[in-house]
Amino acid sequence: DAKTTQPPSMDCAEGRAANLPCNHSTISGNEYVYWYRQIHSQGPQYIIHGLKNNETNEMASLIITEDRKSSTLILPHATLRDTAVYYCIVRASGGGADGLTFGKGTHLIIQP
Amino acid sequence: GAVVSQHPSRVICKSGTSVKIECRSLDFQATTMFWYRQFPKQSLMLMATSNEGSKATYEQGVEKDKFLINHASLTLSTLTVTSAHPEDSSFYICSAQRTGYEQYFGPGTRLTVT
Repeated sequence: DAKTTQPPSMDCAEGRAANLPCNHSTISGNEYVYWYRQIHSQGPQYIIHGLKNNETNEMASLIITEDRKSSTLILPHATLRDTAVYYCIVRASGGGADGLTFGKGTHLIIQP
Repeated sequence: GAVVSQHPSRVICKSGTSVKIECRSLDFQATTMFWYRQFPKQSLMLMATSNEGSKATYEQGVEKDKFLINHASLTLSTLTVTSAHPEDSSFYICSAQRTGYEQYFGPGTRLTVT
């Protein structure tokens, strides 16, 4: 699976949009971009995933650049409960039987 | 989303004893279950992958005789930490997946070995 690079931490004001970047310059054609988050002392929570088109669900939007070498997770109206470590993970196929490789992620802190 | 449970959520045991952790997929049948552990201030590390009815596949450096995994049904996998020692104290997290779908994680089990 391709490696990803994320900033170690970010702050965002409550109510504003939080934009979390991820670089995955070595991504290959059949690899998806997945986002999970982990709130302190809990298991990771699936957020969203995509291949090349932008995706949106009730939690977030995922914007993938045309060359697929980077992506941005957008939380449109951040709340205090969105404070967590956010992981960007690249993996082959949309659900192959492989474990996930977690990097260090981005610690997002929502400020009141 | 799909729900995965773990039991117990916390356990304290004495050095040399064994501890069993259960992972259940509550509203779907999981073709594959995964076990991870997470040490303080570190990221999750995959320990092993298990498919129902077959032997688990362990990651390099994970002792299969120490961390026994049983995947008896499509909704239940267990991890037994045998002869636990203080260095096994960690946060153990399972995930479950149906073929073609994303992984869903359990809430984790905090193991403390005294």
